[in-house]
Formats: sequence, C-alpha cells, structure tokens
Amino acid sequence: AQSVSQHNHHVILSEAASLELGCNYSYGGTVNLFWYVQYPGQHLQLLLKYFSGDPLVKGIKGFEAEFIKSKFSFNLRKPSVQWSDTAEYFCAVNAGSARQLTFGSGTQLTVLP
Amino acid sequence: AAGVIQSPRHLIKEKRETATLKCYPIPRHDTVYWYQQGPGQDPQFLISFYEKMQSDKGSIPDRFSAQQFSDYHSELNMSSLELGDSALYFCASSLLSKWVYGYTFGSGTRLTVV
Repeated sequence: AQSVSQHNHHVILSEAASLELGCNYSYGGTVNLFWYVQYPGQHLQLLLKYFSGDPLVKGIKGFEAEFIKSKFSFNLRKPSVQWSDTAEYFCAVNAGSARQLTFGSGTQLTVLP
Repeated sequence: AAGVIQSPRHLIKEKRETATLKCYPIPRHDTVYWYQQGPGQDPQFLISFYEKMQSDKGSIPDRFSAQQFSDYHSELNMSSLELGDSALYFCASSLLSKWVYGYTFGSGTRLTVV
C-alpha cells in the first residue's frame, strides 16, 4: 500500500518569504500526486495535481510543485508567501487502480504579517 | 458553480446513538467518496460509490454503512457511536472518467460524540 510522508509538521514564515513543503511517497509504480489546502474551518481545496507530462506543475494562488521520480518526491513551493496562505497543506497520492487518495499528515503553515 | 453539499454541518450525538450524514454530489458526478478526518489527523478514506454500487472500501468500521441512491446522493450511517468517532467527515465527488483531475470535497460534517 502506498504511504505519504510530510516531514514538516508546522512551518512559520514571514510574509514575502519563500516556501517549500516536503512530500515523499512510497510506491514503485505509476502515481498521481496532489496538493490540497485546508483553510481554518473549511474543506479541502485542490491546489495542483500531477499525473503525467511536465514534472513541474503550476497551481492556483502562485503555488507550484515538482515531481522528482528518482526521489519519490513532490515538493510544494511558492516564491513569496502571503498572510492569507496561512492554512494546512496536505500532500496526497493515488496509485495503481484505486481511485481513493492517501493523504500525508499535513503541514500547518503560519505566515506572520 | 454548484459544489458538494453535506448535511448537517454539525452534529452532536451521545455514545451508542446512531447518526446519518448526507452528501449531495456535484450534478452529473457519478462517484462519491467518504473520508474521515480526526482531530489533528489527515483524512482517511472510508468508502466510495460509483453508479450506486460500492467501488472501493477503506478503513470503514463495521458499525458504519453507506449507500448511494438513484439521485446519486449518498448517506453514511453510523451506529453504536463511540467517542473516537468524533471527527470531520468529508464527502467528495467526481466523474469516474475524470477522477484523476482531482475530485471536489464538500465542507464536511463535524460529528461530536459525547
């Protein structure tokens, strides 16, 4: 079964700082990768996804992620964070024939104004 | 645009009671997924339905059951509730043929068992 690791549990940044959140997965075959954001008290919203093609994917709100197959990683990046980016970020993977997602444990991002 | 609708938004039940959570998918979506997110935890897949039939099953307890109706809405029935069932229950929907594009989550039902 696939698993997802997010090593940063809580990240605190000042506005305009650059962001990189780590995500590693374990599965040897073809995977589909997602980043979701959850603002306080709200539902999960899709930030971006990768399933084939260019390993550098761009999502909403200025986020991007790079799929590095050799490292089993799909790290999320943003060059300059804003206070409104304060939220919890979940990496998720789908692998094989199953359609459900396996989520990482999430990273709480706090951006200080 | 219409989103995934879940009801109720909040629910408080006592131990050993039953609860029914409802999910109304985006129109024309044929697949519904249920996830459970405990306090401070990541969402865990429970069960999914495609065209009113169970398609995948995750870590759903035997005390829970679910079904998808002819209008594609789904209900999650939870019996003999335990304190550990307190969680946020998310429903998501997609078109089976386009699920890989990422499915859409509802706002969730927060269940508190006291």
